[in-house]
Amino acid sequence: NAGVTQTPKFQVLKTGQSMTLQCAQDMNHEYMSWYRQDPGMGLRLIHYSVGAGITDQGEVPNGYNVSRSTTEDFPLRLLSAAPSQTSVYFCASNIGGGAGSKTQYFGPGTRLLVL
Amino acid sequence: KQEVTQIPAALSVPEGENLVLNCSFTDSAIYNLQWFRQDPGKGLTSLLLIQSSQREQTSGRLNASLDKSSGRSTLYIAASQPGDSATYLCAVSPGTASKLTFGTGTRLQVTL
Repeated sequence: NAGVTQTPKFQVLKTGQSMTLQCAQDMNHEYMSWYRQDPGMGLRLIHYSVGAGITDQGEVPNGYNVSRSTTEDFPLRLLSAAPSQTSVYFCASNIGGGAGSKTQYFGPGTRLLVL
Repeated sequence: KQEVTQIPAALSVPEGENLVLNCSFTDSAIYNLQWFRQDPGKGLTSLLLIQSSQREQTSGRLNASLDKSSGRSTLYIAASQPGDSATYLCAVSPGTASKLTFGTGTRLQVTL
């Protein structure tokens, strides 16, 4: 298994540009989520999904859109990039469902710089 | 709103020393608590997960404890090694949706 994969690894955008950060997992996990990591702030939840076709907002959703058309993929779209969105973005997944371990698996991250 | 605090923010110890990292949270209504390791420029790797009904979990030289009533968890690392140098993050989940709230981490350096 490749686990959780993210592309691109690094991206530079100009203010106002749009882009999509890709995330895929091959573990047949129900739950997927996006976090951003900023210095001194820890990781904060942007959006999450509990299954194909179901998404919801996290703590910092403004400026981002998500969709979940398949179990494997959970892309994050920046509609109009702003310098405040400069961050490292992590995608995560876990098996979801009922009782049992809910270990989160993280991707390697995407570093985004907005000029 | 759940808040997670990790103390200390940074720690430097000589190789071989036993050490304890602390994590505290404000809302005891958690489903589980996880400890992660993050190496510079890398993603997060789950080290230990403690369900809310459990008191501790062990993996090799690592032992994590959970006291829900006091809102505290500790990660104990025995016989530290230079390879243990990394940032350690704790995170709590309020329910099965696994919406994690993270602390800001403890940056550990183990010196020769």
